Amino acid sequence: EAGVAQSPRYKIIEKRQSVAFWCNPISGHATLYWYQQILGQGPKLLIQFQNNGVVDDSQLPKDRFSAERLKGVDSTLKIQPAKLEDSAVYLCASSHRNSGYTFGSGTRLTVV
Amino acid sequence: GENVEQHPSTLSVQEGDSAVIKCTYSDSASNYFPWYKQELGKGPQLIIDIRSNVGEKKDQRIAVTLNKTAKHFSLHITETQPEDSAVYFCAASVDNDMRFGAGTRLTVKP
Repeated sequence: EAGVAQSPRYKIIEKRQSVAFWCNPISGHATLYWYQQILGQGPKLLIQFQNNGVVDDSQLPKDRFSAERLKGVDSTLKIQPAKLEDSAVYLCASSHRNSGYTFGSGTRLTVV
Repeated sequence: GENVEQHPSTLSVQEGDSAVIKCTYSDSASNYFPWYKQELGKGPQLIIDIRSNVGEKKDQRIAVTLNKTAKHFSLHITETQPEDSAVYFCAASVDNDMRFGAGTRLTVKP
C-alpha cells in the first residue's frame, strides 16, 4: 500500500512569515495526526483528527497554528506567523483503529 | 495524560552484542505499546508492537516484553548489526491517543 505522503520535504522561512504543510494519509485510515519533532526529542502530538473532526488539539498553539481536514482525507497544517522555536520536523501519521501509526517522512522547517 | 519515560538516551554496543531499551508509562489504561525506529531524515517506522493482553512478543532478532503491574516495557535486540543504528522510540497508547518516549540513540560499532 502507498504510505503517508507529505510535502514539502524542506522549508526555510523567515520569522513572522507563514507556512503550510500538506499530508495525504493511507487510504482508509480514519485517524490522522500531526506531530512536531524538535531535534533530539520524541514526537509531540499537535492535533488528532478522526475523519474530518478534531479529537485532540490540546497541545496545538492555537494563536499561530491551525489545521484542517475538510473532506476527511488529506490535511493541511499552517503556521502564521512563524517563530524561531517552530523550527522542527513536522510529521504526519495515520492509523486504523488502535494500531500502530504509519508516519510520513516529515517536513523539516527551519525558521531564520 | 499519559507520560512515557525512556532509558537510556544513548546506547553504544559492539556488533553482535544485545541491546536493551526500557520504558515506563503512567496511565494504567494504556493497552497498546509500539516501538519505532527512526533513521536520519526519515519518519519513525513501526518495528514491533505489543498489546496489554500479551507479556512478550518476538520477531526474529527483536523482542518486546511488557509488565503491566509495574507499567514498564522493554525492547530487546539480539545479534546487533550496524544497520540497527538509529533512534528508537517507545510509545504507549489508549484509544488512539499515543504518547512517545524521548528516544534512544543506538550505535552499533562494527
